Amino acid sequence: DAGVIQSPRHEVTEMGQEVTLRCKPISGHNSLFWYRQTMMRGLELLIYFNNNVPIDDSGMPEDRFSAKMPNASFSTLKIQPSEPRDSAVYFCASSEERNTIYFGEGSWLTVV
Amino acid sequence: TQLLEQSPQFLSIQEGENLTVYCNSSSVFSSLQWYRQEPGEGPVLLVTVVTGGEVKKLKRLTFQFGDARKDSSLHITAAQPGDTGLYLCADSNNAGNMLTFGGGTRLMVKP
Repeated sequence: DAGVIQSPRHEVTEMGQEVTLRCKPISGHNSLFWYRQTMMRGLELLIYFNNNVPIDDSGMPEDRFSAKMPNASFSTLKIQPSEPRDSAVYFCASSEERNTIYFGEGSWLTVV
Repeated sequence: TQLLEQSPQFLSIQEGENLTVYCNSSSVFSSLQWYRQEPGEGPVLLVTVVTGGEVKKLKRLTFQFGDARKDSSLHITAAQPGDTGLYLCADSNNAGNMLTFGGGTRLMVKP
């Protein structure tokens, strides 16, 4: 079975540019999560969707960040405009309700 | 806000040695999960513990949950280079669908 699929795996962009990260959750999973990982702050939950509806976005750092889930098989995390402090690994994860959460391999973002 | 503290932050040992890493919470865990994250990969669930005093074994890994459900330990016997990675503890919320992670213990096992 395919796991959580994220793209791009690596992205280097200039400050001020728009960045879009994409995620395809595991088929049949109804919960989707976006996490950010840095050395300083560890793994932080940004936003959580259930049945395509955003349930908790309290971890989204600021208005420059937005996330959508137009259908059960696709989600995006957008940063506009990007800043150097956004450099991190962004993980998408999915689960069936109350079951194991499966992580993708991450999108490594560098903003210069 | 719950705080999960893991210790040590870094650990470098020789193959064959034993080690223990710890996870402490500022509040009672709903359910505690241990993950391992290898370089360039996402975290992968190792085990979930729910009951105070619970002990679970996964091959050479032994997970122990404190009686008060505020702390946990992970013991690895005869560590191997394949055990190298970041070990993370996490707590789920009451609905069981969102995770708060500790800062992790970064383990390196040298051949």
